[in-house]
Amino acid sequence: QSVLTQPPSASGTPGQRVTISCSGSSSNIGSNTVNWYQQLPGTAPKLLIYSNNQRPSGVPDRFSGSKSGTSASLAISGLQSEDEADYYCAAWDDSLNGHVVFGGGTKLTVL
Amino acid sequence: QLQLQESGPGLVKPSETLSLTCTVSGGSISSSSYYWGWIRQPPGKGLEWIGSIYYSGSTYYNPSLKSRVTISVDTSKNQFSLKLSSVTAADTAVYYCARQYIVATNADAFDIWGQGTMVTVSS
Repeated sequence: QSVLTQPPSASGTPGQRVTISCSGSSSNIGSNTVNWYQQLPGTAPKLLIYSNNQRPSGVPDRFSGSKSGTSASLAISGLQSEDEADYYCAAWDDSLNGHVVFGGGTKLTVL
Repeated sequence: QLQLQESGPGLVKPSETLSLTCTVSGGSISSSSYYWGWIRQPPGKGLEWIGSIYYSGSTYYNPSLKSRVTISVDTSKNQFSLKLSSVTAADTAVYYCARQYIVATNADAFDIWGQGTMVTVSS
């Protein structure tokens, strides 16, 4: 059972806009920033969004992040076949002297 | 550019200690802007943070693994290491090392990852 809750799956057709949610609590998302990672099949995760809505260099602006209260969202616009991957949210959790928590991951399928 | 590479045994017996090393190349581990972390992923499952270390040796661990985890750093070799004791089959996973960029207090992100190494716990 992950501390951050994500839907196990999401899907969309090429060109569509899809969103993936991440729900937490006051000790994590409610008081700290959220990061998003993309994991393509058979590869290591890649940082996609940090500090709720910042994109590292090289990440297309089709990817965007937002946070409100104890929830966060990742939006992908102009969906492409190469976006098919697992997506994970993560945040710092203030409980138990502080630690990093991940969501369970969302598998995005491009139909 | 900066690269991280995990190394260590791919097979560990139950009750023994899992030991992995992450070698950092293309940059210094002794940077004030980063922690260095370990994350694992059981087959077909999600990511789990294990713990992180600063170049000074300061560490913090996942509370659920804390009693079995030790992370250390060797700045002279530009390496940091993971030891996980008393392993069981539940510790079978791909283990990743990663650079943890300190954006701000309680705001950091794993921005560069190693390729990962599969460790199987079996007799």
